[in-house]
Amino acid sequence: AQSVTQPDIHITVSEGASLELRCNYSYGATPYLFWYVQSPGQGLQLLLKYFSGDTLVQGIKGFEAEFKRSQSSFNLRKPSVHWSDAAEYFCAASNQGGKLIFGQGTELSVKP
Amino acid sequence: DSGVTQTPKHLITATGQRVTLRCSPRSGDLSVYWYQQSLDQGLQFLIQYYNGEERAKGNILERFSAQQFPDLHSELNLSSLELGDSALYFCASSARDRGTYEQYFGPGTRLTVT
Repeated sequence: AQSVTQPDIHITVSEGASLELRCNYSYGATPYLFWYVQSPGQGLQLLLKYFSGDTLVQGIKGFEAEFKRSQSSFNLRKPSVHWSDAAEYFCAASNQGGKLIFGQGTELSVKP
Repeated sequence: DSGVTQTPKHLITATGQRVTLRCSPRSGDLSVYWYQQSLDQGLQFLIQYYNGEERAKGNILERFSAQQFPDLHSELNLSSLELGDSALYFCASSARDRGTYEQYFGPGTRLTVT
């Protein structure tokens, strides 16, 4: 069955430190991959997407993600975290733009 | 602002009742998706419409139904409501027909069943 796994339920980082959020997928073929962010009480905002081509993709708010086919991973990174980045982050996958299958989410807390 | 609108923002109703959630996709997007977000199930796909036709069904209960109208707005109808239906319901739209596959989400409708 198709699935997306985010192994970390909660991560705390200090402001200014680097961040990496993990995401693994299990699909028959390489799916389209996405990262979304959800602030409390808000909807889901698209951070970045991967369809094909360059395995390092840039997104909004200084985020990037790297696709690694051999590891079935699509990890999200940011070199320097800001307090406003505190939110829940969801990795998602789809087959050519069909339904999204989401990971369980990773809640990010930022220490001053 | 994603361009996807949902009404109402909040809905409080009693068990056994019926409610309708409304979604307007981004201008020109033909595909509309509905998702449910709950603490125990996470984000789950319910149903997809494309230009008025149902395209895919996910974990949608028989008590739930949806449709997409000629002006492309969509409605999700939830009936015989149970306490467990309390959740955040999201609508998303995409321009899949124009070759872009990302989905843009509305702000959601928070449903509380008492």
